[in-house]
Amino acid sequence: GEDVEQSLFLSVREGDSSVINCTYTDSSSTYLYWYKQEPGAGLQLLTYIFSNMDMKQDQRLTVLLNKKDKHLSLRIADTQTGDSAIYFCALGGFQKLVFGTGTRLLVSP
Amino acid sequence: DADVTQTPRNRITKTGKRIMLECSQTKGHDRMYWYRQDPGLGLQLIYYSFDVKDINKGEISDGYSVSRQAQAKFSLSLESAIPNQTALYFCATSDTTSGGVNEQFFGPGTRLTVL
Repeated sequence: GEDVEQSLFLSVREGDSSVINCTYTDSSSTYLYWYKQEPGAGLQLLTYIFSNMDMKQDQRLTVLLNKKDKHLSLRIADTQTGDSAIYFCALGGFQKLVFGTGTRLLVSP
Repeated sequence: DADVTQTPRNRITKTGKRIMLECSQTKGHDRMYWYRQDPGLGLQLIYYSFDVKDINKGEISDGYSVSRQAQAKFSLSLESAIPNQTALYFCATSDTTSGGVNEQFFGPGTRLTVL
C-alpha cells in the first residue's frame, strides 16, 4: 500500500518561514493535500495541488510537488504563533485518502 | 452548530467491554469515514461508507465493526475492547460532487482509553 512519511517535529521562530516535507511511494494520486490539525480539534483541509502542477501558491502558503522524487512540501511564509499545529500530507483518489504521519509545528515568539 | 459531531468526546472503559462511538453529520454528504490517530502513526483508516448500503474495510478493520444507520449517521463499534485500541478516533465526511477533490470534513474526535 501507499507509504507516506513526514518528519515528526519542526520548531521555528515567529516571522520565519516554515517548510514541512512529505515523501510518498505511490504516484497515482490525482490530488495531493495538506491538512492542519489544531489542538483538540479534527483535521481541516488547508490546501491541495493537482498532480500535473509543480507549484501552487495560496496567500502565505506555497505547495511544491516534485513527482520525480515523490516529494511534496508546504512552505508557510511569515509563520505566526497561530500556525502552531500538526500538519498532515495526504494522497489518494476520490474514494479514500492515505495520510502521512504528521509534523508538529511549534512556533516560538 | 458543528457540521460533524461525535459522541462521546471522551470514554474510559475496561478490557473486554463493547463500546460504540457515534457520528452524525448535517452536511448532506454521502461518504463517511472512521479513522484512528496514534502519535507518530498519523491517521489510519478503519472503515468507510459511500452510502447506506455500502460498507468497506480500511487498513485496520480487525476488532472493529460499523453500522450506517442513515445517510447522516455512521457508528463504530469495538466488540471486545483491548488496551491497544486506546487512541483518538475521528469521523469524517466527504461529498461525491466536489469535482474530484476529496475534501474531508472531520469531527472533533473521541478520545478512547481502554484499561
